[in-house]
Amino acid sequence: GQNIDQPTEMTATEGAIVQINCTYQTSGFNGLFWYQQHAGEAPTFLSYNVLDGLEEKGRFSSFLSRSKGYSYLLLKELQMKDSASYLCAVTNRGSTLGRLYFGRGTQLTVWP
Amino acid sequence: ETGVTQTPRHLVMGMTNKKSLKCEQHLGHNAMYWYKQSAKKPLELMFVYSLEERVENNSVPSRFSPECPNSSHLFLHLHTLQPEDSALYLCASSPLPGEGQETQYFGPGTRLLVL
Repeated sequence: GQNIDQPTEMTATEGAIVQINCTYQTSGFNGLFWYQQHAGEAPTFLSYNVLDGLEEKGRFSSFLSRSKGYSYLLLKELQMKDSASYLCAVTNRGSTLGRLYFGRGTQLTVWP
Repeated sequence: ETGVTQTPRHLVMGMTNKKSLKCEQHLGHNAMYWYKQSAKKPLELMFVYSLEERVENNSVPSRFSPECPNSSHLFLHLHTLQPEDSALYLCASSPLPGEGQETQYFGPGTRLLVL
């Protein structure tokens, strides 16, 4: 089976940096996605990591270590609008086309 | 319109009603998905369609019946639902393997309440 674990809640202040961790246990790992979901809205794609290392995209970066089954999403210069749920999801080789296994999401609250 | 759209955005239905959820994608993708999102639980994959052919039915009760008439449209027909089926139902689409990065793009969802 798949096991994806991420913290339930995090809080931070505007302008700060926050790191949201995700650990996974899965066979045939093929890639990891991060999505952002504001309350009542669609999850929106943030990043995709296949190889080890850091991928930077503006204020957001995502890191992957395949050997450790670990990823994190780093958010810099936090803004109030970054308050949202952040979803970690993995894909496997050999699983049904496009099958994503999601964690429960991390609810981030940014305070002024 | 662009992206993935879903209608209706909100739906209240009784347990004996029949209703349908609609999803349309304008991204030229050939794979479409239905997910269920309940409070405090991970997103659960319900159905996957590839080129209008169902490739996965993830042990979903038969009171949920999907339909994919073409690669741009996906429906979820609902009948005799239970209160525990109340949730946010999300549609997504993606390219097929070999067509590009298989990122799934989600619609805004239908918030369903079953009374």
